[in-house]
Amino acid sequence: DTGVSQDPRHKITKRGQNVTFRCDPISEHNRLYWYRQTLGQGPEFLTYFQNEAQLEKSRLLSDRFSAERPKGSFSTLEIQRTEQGDSAMYLCASSLLAAVNGYTFGSGTRLTVV
Amino acid sequence: ELKVEQNPLFLSMQEGKNYTIYCNYSTTSDRLYWYRQDPGKSLESLFVLLSNGAVKQEGRLMASLDTKARLSTLHITAAVHDLSATYFCAPLRAGADGLTFGKGTHLIIQP
Repeated sequence: DTGVSQDPRHKITKRGQNVTFRCDPISEHNRLYWYRQTLGQGPEFLTYFQNEAQLEKSRLLSDRFSAERPKGSFSTLEIQRTEQGDSAMYLCASSLLAAVNGYTFGSGTRLTVV
Repeated sequence: ELKVEQNPLFLSMQEGKNYTIYCNYSTTSDRLYWYRQDPGKSLESLFVLLSNGAVKQEGRLMASLDTKARLSTLHITAAVHDLSATYFCAPLRAGADGLTFGKGTHLIIQP
């Protein structure tokens, strides 16, 4: 197991386009989280899954943001009708249920909206 | 709402010196995590502090947690250039699902 994988590493898109990012967590981790990090700030929690159930989504930034984890393995984060303010690093993390060993973060997807 | 304040936000220090980064938070939290981030990279886990009074050390870094004071510290001993990075603390509020991060402490260690 090579840790948490995110794809793509970089994405440049035009304003108004839809984008989708993928995250593959550590295989034995049943929790998966999405965060957004803007320049000079700490990561901001967006949503999380326990297995395939999305247990928290009120922190998603707007209704343009959605996430899925259909089979309890990989997850996707979609942003519809992108805006320049969506430019940021999108980080995925995974953990065991109690997170006593912490959360393992992926390398992130850097989104630039032009 | 949990608020996290790190001090200082920026620190430039010389190799060989000692320094402490402070992390204050506003709401009772059972545990706290410290992460390191290099420019353009993701977050590397440093310490997981699971209870009041927890102290953990790894190399030149030592972290502690005082849940009653709502304070965690990250102490750097005899700093070396390789420790230059941004350090984040992230308490986990009781009953919460996601971490709340501070703004980070940007640390530069000069020869």
